[in-house]
Amino acid sequence: AQTVTQSQPEMSVQEAETVTLSCTYDTSESDYYLFWYKQPPSRQMILVIRQEAYKQQNATENRFSVNFQKAAKSFSLKISDSQLGDAAMYFCASTQYNFNKFYFGSGTKLNVKP
Amino acid sequence: DVKVTQSSRYLVKRTGEKVFLECVQDMDHENMFWYRQDPGLGLRLIYFSYDVKMKEKGDIPEGYSVSREKKERFSLILESASTNQTSMYLCASSLDPREYTDTQYFGPGTRLTVL
Repeated sequence: AQTVTQSQPEMSVQEAETVTLSCTYDTSESDYYLFWYKQPPSRQMILVIRQEAYKQQNATENRFSVNFQKAAKSFSLKISDSQLGDAAMYFCASTQYNFNKFYFGSGTKLNVKP
Repeated sequence: DVKVTQSSRYLVKRTGEKVFLECVQDMDHENMFWYRQDPGLGLRLIYFSYDVKMKEKGDIPEGYSVSREKKERFSLILESASTNQTSMYLCASSLDPREYTDTQYFGPGTRLTVL
């Protein structure tokens, strides 16, 4: 089984600034995938970004980027130019290739201050 | 856009009742999942299904069962609801059973309270 750890239960950022959410994972597999999901208050969870472990290049999606450190088993999410709409619960998740299960962290609640 | 819908946003039941949570997806996805979400614990997989009438236990299947008679619909059943099953229940689906890492699309959730 894989484990995913998010050590920051809650974080705050000023609008327009940058924030980094931490995630570490534990797996014995060499081929796996990592995800960040966003769950806005009372709204559906949506995918923010995904990273294939075999790719060395860090994934980016507009203002969202990851810092994937495979040796350290670390997968942090950086949000640049934070917006009020970024306020949400963020979950880090992992899954192995050809394996149905996703493993989720406990989540980080991000507050964005105007 | 993929749409995953759940039959109820809020549900209140009594201890011992049989509870049905319904989930429907409209994108012909093969895989469907049921999670429960509790503060500080993240999402935990209850059951998943990779084909019609096929199901597999997740990490916390005790007290739950599932049914998938049609591809688009995946039901979670609490045979005899208990107070420790008070939680937020999330349904998800994903496209390709050969690509088990495929993105999961989530429903809005059902907040179940068992009194």
